[in-house]
Amino acid sequence: AQTVTQSQPEMSVQEAETVTLSCTYDTSESDYYLFWYKQPPSRQMILVIRQEAYKQQNATENRFSVNFQKAAKSFSLKISDSQLGDAAMYFCAYRSASGNEKLTFGTGTRLTIIP
Amino acid sequence: DAGVIQSPRHEVTEMGQEVTLRCKPISGHNSLFWYRQTMMRGLELLIYFNNNVPIDDSGMPEDRFSAKMPNASFSTLKIQPSEPRDSAVYFCASRQGYSGNTIYFGEGSWLTVV
Repeated sequence: AQTVTQSQPEMSVQEAETVTLSCTYDTSESDYYLFWYKQPPSRQMILVIRQEAYKQQNATENRFSVNFQKAAKSFSLKISDSQLGDAAMYFCAYRSASGNEKLTFGTGTRLTIIP
Repeated sequence: DAGVIQSPRHEVTEMGQEVTLRCKPISGHNSLFWYRQTMMRGLELLIYFNNNVPIDDSGMPEDRFSAKMPNASFSTLKIQPSEPRDSAVYFCASRQGYSGNTIYFGEGSWLTVV
């Protein structure tokens, strides 16, 4: 079974600085998808960024980028120019490309932005 | 475009009562998912539908839980009878097309069973 590990329960960063959230996963599959979701206090799950395992190029969405290391099974999220609105829980998630629809989530990292 | 719409947003009910959570997926999305989030277990997939047909309900905790999708624009998750341990945030999510596409979540339904 696949597992997703987020080893940082909490992180904090000064406004306008850069922060990196860690995520590792365990799988025997070669084709899969990885996601970062943001959950603000409103509790809604908001997609931040996604990565297809077959793509070597790291995904980027504005201030958000990932460092995808397939061999190391690592999928970290970098947030540049942190803003107060980035404060939230961040969840890393894995989904197989084989037809199993289950999204496996990590336990989350609570990010605090210091003004 | 409207996102996934869930109702109610918050519900407090007494143990033993029936609870019905509702979901309207994004128009055109053909897959629908019900997730539950608790402090102890994190986010868990309860059940998902493809083209209104339940595909995998192995995450449904027990017979007290049931889910239906009578048409492409509506789904319900029912708990009968409810218990305090069912207290959680229940998310509905939907996806269009093939499995590689992104799953979009609703705002969740906060359920408290007292």
